[in-house]
Amino acid sequence: GEDVEQSLFLSVREGDSSVINCTYTDSSSTYLYWYKQEPGAGLQLLTYIFSNMDMKQDQRLTVLLNKKDKHLSLRIADTQTGDSAIYFCAAGSGTYKYIFGTGTRLKVLA
Amino acid sequence: EPEVTQTPSHQVTQMGQEVILRCVPISNHLYFYWYRQILGQKVEFLVSFYNNEISEKSEIFDDQFSVERPDGSNFTLKIRSTKLEDSAMYFCASRVSETQYFGPGTRLLVL
Repeated sequence: GEDVEQSLFLSVREGDSSVINCTYTDSSSTYLYWYKQEPGAGLQLLTYIFSNMDMKQDQRLTVLLNKKDKHLSLRIADTQTGDSAIYFCAAGSGTYKYIFGTGTRLKVLA
Repeated sequence: EPEVTQTPSHQVTQMGQEVILRCVPISNHLYFYWYRQILGQKVEFLVSFYNNEISEKSEIFDDQFSVERPDGSNFTLKIRSTKLEDSAMYFCASRVSETQYFGPGTRLLVL
């Protein structure tokens, strides 16, 4: 069945870049999303990429998509303590339901 | 900026009781969704709703669950007879184009 996988934890120092990786199985996924979840809060859309794109940059965020390998990454430049959160990758297709990954808990060390 | 709202933020109920979780989607959105996240687990799709009917539902969405859009603004999820394993965070989402916008969630605890 459809699945999305992410590593569970990432720890970086403040000011460094963070790279969060995601793999998905459904080759018909048309859109790929990154959401951020802070403790006790909902899902905040960070950015998304269409499957016909390789890269998208949005301020400190860079999304890379390797459609052949079904691999998506989110790079956060100059990571700040306020970036500490859980980051979810999600894949959407024609039915528009999202398949979420397990979430990667990012811890930023001061 | 318009946002999806959900009420209540927290609900505690006894096993076997009925609960109704409420959502107000973004006003010009046409597609509505419910997801749930059991503590420490993935966010899981429950159901999608368009044009006053269910367009897709997951295996989780059994006969205990129902959805309704009772008026022009609210979108509700009803769980008829709650079970312990229904304890989770329930997220509502809405969309008009390709991106779903999520509400802050309702944390449901079934005792």
